Amino acid sequence: DAGITQSPRHKVTETGTPVTLRCHQTENHRYMYWYRQDPGHGLRLIHYSYGVKDTDKGEVSDGYSVSRSKTEDFLLTLESATSSQTSVYFCAISPGTGGLDEQFFGPGTRLTVL
Amino acid sequence: SQQGEEDPQALSIQEGENATMNCSYKTSINNLQWYRQNSGRGLVHLILIRSNEREKHSGRLRVTLDTSKKSSSLLITASRAADTASYFCATGRGSQGNLIFGKGTKLSVKP
Repeated sequence: DAGITQSPRHKVTETGTPVTLRCHQTENHRYMYWYRQDPGHGLRLIHYSYGVKDTDKGEVSDGYSVSRSKTEDFLLTLESATSSQTSVYFCAISPGTGGLDEQFFGPGTRLTVL
Repeated sequence: SQQGEEDPQALSIQEGENATMNCSYKTSINNLQWYRQNSGRGLVHLILIRSNEREKHSGRLRVTLDTSKKSSSLLITASRAADTASYFCATGRGSQGNLIFGKGTKLSVKP
């Protein structure tokens, strides 16, 4: 999967608890993305990063925060998880800006919020 | 907001047949990309076609782009059971934005 790993791969948590998902890449790509995938909605962008400490919001950013302190790691945090955040989360990387280049996806994290 | 919409939502064919999926979009684009997703896995990039290109081939894949109709098609020739997956189109608008994905076409190839 193009040198991208996500951890954990599965997580069950309770409403109100904080959750952090990690994306790690070995490709040294500048751009990193977090998406969520839900039935009937396809893939929706949560947040993305265009460099260390440079991040921006996507289409569905409410309730999520991100951090990127190193090129290789992009963290997605749910400050207080809700049942509506039950989803499959995908990290992706790209050598160029998302509007110009292909993206490479990680294997996904299945999150269940009870 | 979804830019690309795939059609049909689901497609079932026999092995050896060709599969055609379509994608329509609303605004001008820099490029259009197709991705495949096997069940329970991440998306895999298949092909990227730029707005100044009309057709592109990669193995058994043929992609066309008609910017005047704001549509693209993905043709998989001589399909195999291993082609069973969901296929997504994604539109890129250049340096101004990110990729926007459609909801996908679910292809089932029966042996």
